[in-house]
Amino acid sequence: GNSVTQMEGPVTLSEEAFLTINCTYTATGYPSLFWYVQYPGEGLQLLLKATKADDKGSNKGFEATYRKETTSFHLEKGSVQVSDSAVYFCALSYPGAGSYQLTFGKGTKLSVIP
Amino acid sequence: NAGVTQTPKFRILKIGQSMTLQCTQDMNHNYMYWYRQDPGMGLKLIYYSVGAGITDKGEVPNGYNVSRSTTEDFPLRLELAAPSQTSVYFCASSLGQGRSYEQYFGPGTRLTVT
Repeated sequence: GNSVTQMEGPVTLSEEAFLTINCTYTATGYPSLFWYVQYPGEGLQLLLKATKADDKGSNKGFEATYRKETTSFHLEKGSVQVSDSAVYFCALSYPGAGSYQLTFGKGTKLSVIP
Repeated sequence: NAGVTQTPKFRILKIGQSMTLQCTQDMNHNYMYWYRQDPGMGLKLIYYSVGAGITDKGEVPNGYNVSRSTTEDFPLRLELAAPSQTSVYFCASSLGQGRSYEQYFGPGTRLTVT
């Protein structure tokens, strides 16, 4: 079945540091890939997405590239801010499922300190 | 637009009690979903619906029931609450077309069963 594996947290960085959160997936066919962010006490918000191989999703300074050859979708940001502190979830959706349901990784908690 | 709204925000139940978690979306989305989020884990799909009158089980449906009488509403029913159902519950919706499969999430309901 489909699955998503992302790096264990928590991750603690100083402000302006470089961020990478690794995400790899297992799926048949060609899934769409997503990064969602959950700020404390809130629901999930879509951060970025990519729907086909070599697509790059980007938003708010975050980027991730759909790499079919390595089945990866790593999240990166060049300079993190305190306001980026949140839990980040990698997810995939496989059109063959018919329900467009999402399969999530376990989440990576990021804390950015001043 | 309000997006996806959920009520209540918090609830404490005694073992064996019943309750309904409400979810409403105003985006005219066909697809709706219920997830639960346990500490340190990703989200797991409980039930989903692809349109009014159509529902289906997700990964963890035991102990829950749903109905979808209108496009807007997708309530989740717990009949006999158990401590294992202590979790944060998220409702989500999706247009269900194209390849983006983007889901929009509500703010969540934090449920404690004691």
